[in-house]
Amino acid sequence: DVKVTQSSRYLVKRTGEKVFLECVQDMDHENMFWYRQDPGLGLRLIYFSYDVKMKEKGDIPEGYSVSREKKERFSLILESASTNQTSMYLCASSLGWDPEQFFGPGTRLTVL
Amino acid sequence: DQQVKQNSPSLSVQEGRISILNCDYTNSMFDYFLWYKKYPAEGPTFLISISSIKDKNEDGRFTVFLNKSAKHLSLHIVPSQPGDSAVYFCAASEGGAQKLVFGQGTRLTINP
Repeated sequence: DVKVTQSSRYLVKRTGEKVFLECVQDMDHENMFWYRQDPGLGLRLIYFSYDVKMKEKGDIPEGYSVSREKKERFSLILESASTNQTSMYLCASSLGWDPEQFFGPGTRLTVL
Repeated sequence: DQQVKQNSPSLSVQEGRISILNCDYTNSMFDYFLWYKKYPAEGPTFLISISSIKDKNEDGRFTVFLNKSAKHLSLHIVPSQPGDSAVYFCAASEGGAQKLVFGQGTRLTINP
């Protein structure tokens, strides 16, 4: 079974802090994704990566950056956290051209 | 612009009856559609999918119907069980693209 793990289930940070969210997958998937989920808005794509050191902006990249130094790991960085970044963050991975994505358990981030 | 829309934020169904969740899309280039199920504090899990070359796909209690001319798909669950209570997201992909576009989600509640 594909396993996607995220470093924290719950995180509380202060406005202006730099925040790192880590995601690791164990199935050698080429593609990795970061989403945020907000009530009434569904899942919105922040960034994705189809290869090591490659990244593409999603629909809402503002205020975020990403890093993919190794195939299995994809990090989401909030350079200066703001209260409107309070959300559920979901990481996913997929294999090659297969559209099915496998999700991690999510990180509930609260920015105070 | 919301390319994938789930216009019903919530749905309540009696246990044993049929649940029908609907999804509309605007992009005629979408050629693969997926349904995901999400429990609170967990990541979405893949449920069922359908290619645009088909109009129906069935897996146990779950059936997805695709009406390309209407740009509409639906998920039928029969019979509905209490464990089906969750948020359901439809998603679409375009021509081999790795990205998925998600709808807003529908919260399904199965009443005993």
